[in-house]
Amino acid sequence: AQSVSQHNHHVILSEAASLELGCNYSYGGTVNLFWYVQYPGQHLQLLLKYFSGDPLVKGIKGFEAEFIKSKFSFNLRKPSVQWSDTAEYFCAVTSRGYQKVTFGTGTKLQVIP
Amino acid sequence: GAVVSQHPSWVICKSGTSVKIECRSLDFQATTMFWYRQFPKQSLMLMATSNEGSKATYEQGVEKDKFLINHASLTLSTLTVTSAHPEDSSFYICSALVAAGRYNEQFFGPGTRLTVL
Repeated sequence: AQSVSQHNHHVILSEAASLELGCNYSYGGTVNLFWYVQYPGQHLQLLLKYFSGDPLVKGIKGFEAEFIKSKFSFNLRKPSVQWSDTAEYFCAVTSRGYQKVTFGTGTKLQVIP
Repeated sequence: GAVVSQHPSWVICKSGTSVKIECRSLDFQATTMFWYRQFPKQSLMLMATSNEGSKATYEQGVEKDKFLINHASLTLSTLTVTSAHPEDSSFYICSALVAAGRYNEQFFGPGTRLTVL
């Protein structure tokens, strides 16, 4: 079975600070990895995804994530956060032959102006 | 990207009544859709997998007689919460699967907020 862990539950940053949110998964096979964002009162939106190829994936709104297979990690980064990035961020994984999405518990990001 | 809609976006009902939520894939066909619920400040919890033309597969602990799922066409799945009670109040989200080989991705609907009085 696949699982996802997000170690940071609540992160508070000042504007312009750099962001890195951790995501580790457990599954030995080929995986598809995702980061979703949920702004307050809104629905899930896809930030970025990794299927294959370049392990450094760039997404929308200046976010990027790096797939490190040896560490089973897919950390999300942004060099300079803005107040509008305040939201909850979910890491998720699917795998070949296992179509269900497994979500992490989410990380609430609060950016202080 | 693929678009998934849900209707209604929010609903308030009295305890004991039933509520139907629709999930539609607007520009693609989806043989498989999923239903999730999300409690405040928590992650999404998978309730069931909806397969077109066959019975839904429910996750452990989800009452299939309470949460009726129908996937009658390749673009529509419905979730009916029967005899709703206040503890059923939640945010219900559907997704539609696009899969090809090693690639599979779910496209999420905007969610339906259910409040049971």
